[in-house]
Amino acid sequence: AQKITQTQPGMFVQEKEAVTLDCTYDTSDQSYGLFWYKQPSSGEMIFLIYQGSYDEQNATEGRYSLNFQKARKSANLVISASQLGDSAMYFCALSYGNNRLAFGKGNQVVVIP
Amino acid sequence: GAGVSQTPSNKVTEKGKYVELRCDPISGHTALYWYRQSLGQGPEFLIYFQGTGAADDSGLPNDRFFAVRPEGSVSTLKIQRTERGDSAVYLCASSQGWLGEQYFGPGTRLTVT
Repeated sequence: AQKITQTQPGMFVQEKEAVTLDCTYDTSDQSYGLFWYKQPSSGEMIFLIYQGSYDEQNATEGRYSLNFQKARKSANLVISASQLGDSAMYFCALSYGNNRLAFGKGNQVVVIP
Repeated sequence: GAGVSQTPSNKVTEKGKYVELRCDPISGHTALYWYRQSLGQGPEFLIYFQGTGAADDSGLPNDRFFAVRPEGSVSTLKIQRTERGDSAVYLCASSQGWLGEQYFGPGTRLTVT
């Protein structure tokens, strides 16, 4: 079975600082994808970044980068230069099978001015 | 362009009643997914459609849950004999084909009293 673990408690980060959100996963599949989604208080899930299991380079999308360590089965999200609008829940997800997603429990981030 | 839309945004129903939740995916997206998100948890997969057919319904919790997508576009999630434990936010997502990032709708918050 696929499993995503996000265990950090709620995090406070100073505006303009970087923050790293931890994600570890467990899967027996050789081919899979890792996603990060942002869920603000409005409730909508917003796609941030994707990493394929065979991608050799870490994915980057603007201020978001994914630190992919395949041997350790970790896919941490780094948000650089935090903004007030980054305050939200962040979910790590693993895609498998028919691209169905298995989500972790999420990390709460609060950016303070 | 228009994103994924879901109606209603909120639904309150009495235990034992029947409800229908609607999802309108992004135009041209052939893959459609339903997830359920309980309070404090990440979304959990329910069912996946590729075109008109349910390619994977292994996440449906029991036979009170059913979903259709008759013309390969709009999908309806149907819940019979609702129970208080069905209270959650029901999220719909679509993607172009069975690979790639999923784009989520705003969700329907279902409350069973």
